Amino acid sequence: DSGVTQTPKHLITATGQRVTLRCSPRSGDLSVYWYQQSLDQGLQFLIQYYNGEERAKGNILERFSAQQFPDLHSELNLSSLELGDSALYFCASSARDRQFFGPGTRLTVL
Amino acid sequence: GQQVMQIPQYQHVQEGEDFTTYCNSSTTLSNIQWYKQRPGGHPVFLIQLVKSGEVKKQKRLTFQFGEAKKNSSLHITATQTTDVGTYFCAGLRGGSNYKLTFGKGTLLTVNP
Repeated sequence: DSGVTQTPKHLITATGQRVTLRCSPRSGDLSVYWYQQSLDQGLQFLIQYYNGEERAKGNILERFSAQQFPDLHSELNLSSLELGDSALYFCASSARDRQFFGPGTRLTVL
Repeated sequence: GQQVMQIPQYQHVQEGEDFTTYCNSSTTLSNIQWYKQRPGGHPVFLIQLVKSGEVKKQKRLTFQFGEAKKNSSLHITATQTTDVGTYFCAGLRGGSNYKLTFGKGTLLTVNP
């Protein structure tokens, strides 16, 4: 158990819909990272927040957005979902450069 | 942008054989990390290498960081079925951006 929690574990939805994935970092960690993992693309970095502020952006689509709240939990919002958005979404928090991953949310878009 | 290439993509071995995965970055790294993801699981941090030419061992696993800090390898001696999973390297560039760039990983399967 990494100490990072993610909800929900599984999400099944239809194309065009909007979903919100939630992540709570390890106690004391200020950074939250979001990753998308699909079979052919490996682990793709989406976005990083540090203490409520966006710090780095990766390959995040305009249809996706994220935020980190004062209590340090983070939400990743995915809208106008497409079939290709089906993937595992991981959240991670970090301490001293190393990252601790949550169990992930498996998103299936039908 | 920074790229981290990892080979091979897949490796199947007989239990007891050795295994090596290689990682190459297009840019010099401040450090490199290795993660293991078991089937159905999430990536778990294994180790971090910081110094040029650094070699670290964890039981049967040996990690190396190249002299130019652009390449790395993970070698497993005498694989066991518990070694099954995907091994990712992840490079961190220096500076204020703490974005890790992950390789695509090597999936190791072990035949008992």
